[in-house]
Amino acid sequence: EAGVAQSPRYKIIEKRQSVAFWCNPISGHATLYWYQQILGQGPKLLIQFQNNGVVDDSQLPKDRFSAERLKGVDSTLKIQPAKLEDSAVYLCASSLADYSPLHFGNGTRLTVT
Amino acid sequence: GENVEQHPSTLSVQEGDSAVIKCTYSDSASNYFPWYKQELGKGPQLIIDIRSNVGEKKDQRIAVTLNKTAKHFSLHITETQPEDSAVYFCAAAGGGSYIPTFGRGTSLIVHP
Repeated sequence: EAGVAQSPRYKIIEKRQSVAFWCNPISGHATLYWYQQILGQGPKLLIQFQNNGVVDDSQLPKDRFSAERLKGVDSTLKIQPAKLEDSAVYLCASSLADYSPLHFGNGTRLTVT
Repeated sequence: GENVEQHPSTLSVQEGDSAVIKCTYSDSASNYFPWYKQELGKGPQLIIDIRSNVGEKKDQRIAVTLNKTAKHFSLHITETQPEDSAVYFCAAAGGGSYIPTFGRGTSLIVHP
């Protein structure tokens, strides 16, 4: 099966600019996650979707981050305006069901200068 | 919420040696414990998982043990090979959420 696809792989922006990341999960996976991974740390959940509905966005900095999953398939994560501390790898993952293994994409490495 | 502590942060071994990574968790209701391997430039990949009704699970050179009373679990890799070099993450899920909370990772270096 095809894995989780993410784009772009790398992005460099200046602070206060905006950026968007795209994710296409594994076909048939209803649950989609966005994680932030700061260098030297484990992934931290930002938001979880079940089909096209938000299940958990308690860790999403809503003043600058937004995410959507139209039609319950692809998802986009946006940051506007970006801050230096947003420099990280943004990982998208999908799973088949509750307590099923998460399948991660290779991430988007964001550098904010 | 759940808090997962992972040790050591870096582990250096010679090829053929064993490697052990230890994690503790805070939420006694957690009941699912996956381990992920992350190679440079890639996303984490599941290598083994264990549920709270099992004390130990093995898959070839990899094994995981769980002590629910002490709230700790460990990853054991035997006969390490250079291709085992990567960052390993433990995670815990359960109780109020099935979404895994990750530890900070262990960088395993296997010297040929």
